[in-house]
Amino acid sequence: DGGITQSPKYLFRKEGQNVTLSCEQNLNHDAMYWYRQDPGQGLRLIYYSQIVNDFQKGDIAEGYSVSREKKESFPLTVTSAQKNPTAFYLCASSTRQGVSNQPQHFGDGTRLSIL
Amino acid sequence: AQSVTQPDIHITVSEGASLELRCNYSYGATPYLFWYVQSPGQGLQLLLKYFSGDTLVQGIKGFEAEFKRSQSSFNLRKPSVHWSDAAEYFCAVGGITGGYQKVTFGIGTKLQVIP
Repeated sequence: DGGITQSPKYLFRKEGQNVTLSCEQNLNHDAMYWYRQDPGQGLRLIYYSQIVNDFQKGDIAEGYSVSREKKESFPLTVTSAQKNPTAFYLCASSTRQGVSNQPQHFGDGTRLSIL
Repeated sequence: AQSVTQPDIHITVSEGASLELRCNYSYGATPYLFWYVQSPGQGLQLLLKYFSGDTLVQGIKGFEAEFKRSQSSFNLRKPSVHWSDAAEYFCAVGGITGGYQKVTFGIGTKLQVIP
């Protein structure tokens, strides 16, 4: 079955360390997204990508970076500049970027905590 | 700017009782509306979506939602709740912003089901 795989499920970061969250999809979707979820705040968009080698900042991009070298992969790096990284991170994808009626499909998330 | 309001952060219902979760949206054009469900530690699963046409939409797991343009609402309903429905529910509105699909999520309603 097609889907989105996020790894690892749990991740711990030390002070001053960069960590990378993996997101892989085999749905042949063009668009991919990263969201941050905090209790009581819903989902907030970090970065999105419409096609390979192109990505745009979302609402809360500071302290994060991404790459899109392959259609299937959209890794998120949480840098040391992100002072409050503890959260649940969700990756999503959808077909035909620019068509607003396509629902997003989600991975099972990565929970990042500070050591 | 598009926005979603879920006025109830937490709802408790008895098993077998009916359920209605409220959602109000703000969007300048015809909205594309979604309801997602999230179990603890998991990603979001699409329950149903509204794009156009019949204002009463059926989804998975026995859920339905009604689009009311005059009230800017898209409430989720289920006639008889099961214990397995306990989860967090997110309403979302989709639109085009700056040429990309932007989905704005509400803060979620946590459903507790008691025997």
